[in-house]
Amino acid sequence: EAAVTQSPRNKVAVTGGKVTLSCNQTNNHNNMYWYRQDTGHGLRLIHYSYGAGSTEKGDIPDGYKASRPSQENFSLILELATPSQTSVYFCASGEGGPDYTFGSGTRLLVI
Amino acid sequence: GEQVEQLPSILRVQERSSASINCTYENSASNYFPWYKQEPGENPKLIIDIRSNMERKQIQGLIVLLDKKAKRFSLHITDTQPADSAMYFCAASASSSFSKLVFGQGTSLSVVP
Repeated sequence: EAAVTQSPRNKVAVTGGKVTLSCNQTNNHNNMYWYRQDTGHGLRLIHYSYGAGSTEKGDIPDGYKASRPSQENFSLILELATPSQTSVYFCASGEGGPDYTFGSGTRLLVI
Repeated sequence: GEQVEQLPSILRVQERSSASINCTYENSASNYFPWYKQEPGENPKLIIDIRSNMERKQIQGLIVLLDKKAKRFSLHITDTQPADSAMYFCAASASSSFSKLVFGQGTSLSVVP
């Protein structure tokens, strides 16, 4: 079974609406990450966390918040979604090295 | 922070030939360099990695080279097959614990018969 699970798999949101993307990991990793993937940009880091209660800004945090209420769960929050946030979002967990594991991704369309 | 540049963005090769993808990084403290393969609609999956104490690593038909002086690393796929067609990403980590990977822009590889 998947060690990193994202929900939802697909989401359509309206501009200005609030969107929450969820991620759950069963790897017992301290570190979790949120990336977005866009053609020509690869995977860009939005937010990450070193453990429950901590969130850190990645390379492109503007317009996003993150929440890490527990070791297992890490959420990405778009308070006011915009069309430019249409993308594929990947959650990952890992202490570093080959244990870095990605979820299956969430396709978000903001209209 | 770290930045990773990956070239080419698109690569098309004949079946059974070799394919090469190159990446450069900025931070001399980077010490872990993985390569991921991503099939359409799937998540990225680790295929091979190399650490800064090595210059070369091979797993079957995959070869990774690391030139720390030039801050450059590369993936070479030998004897390519259509099943190798996918998106490939290089990445680098500059932290002491290997975490927080920074990815290159990706290479779309097509292997044609």
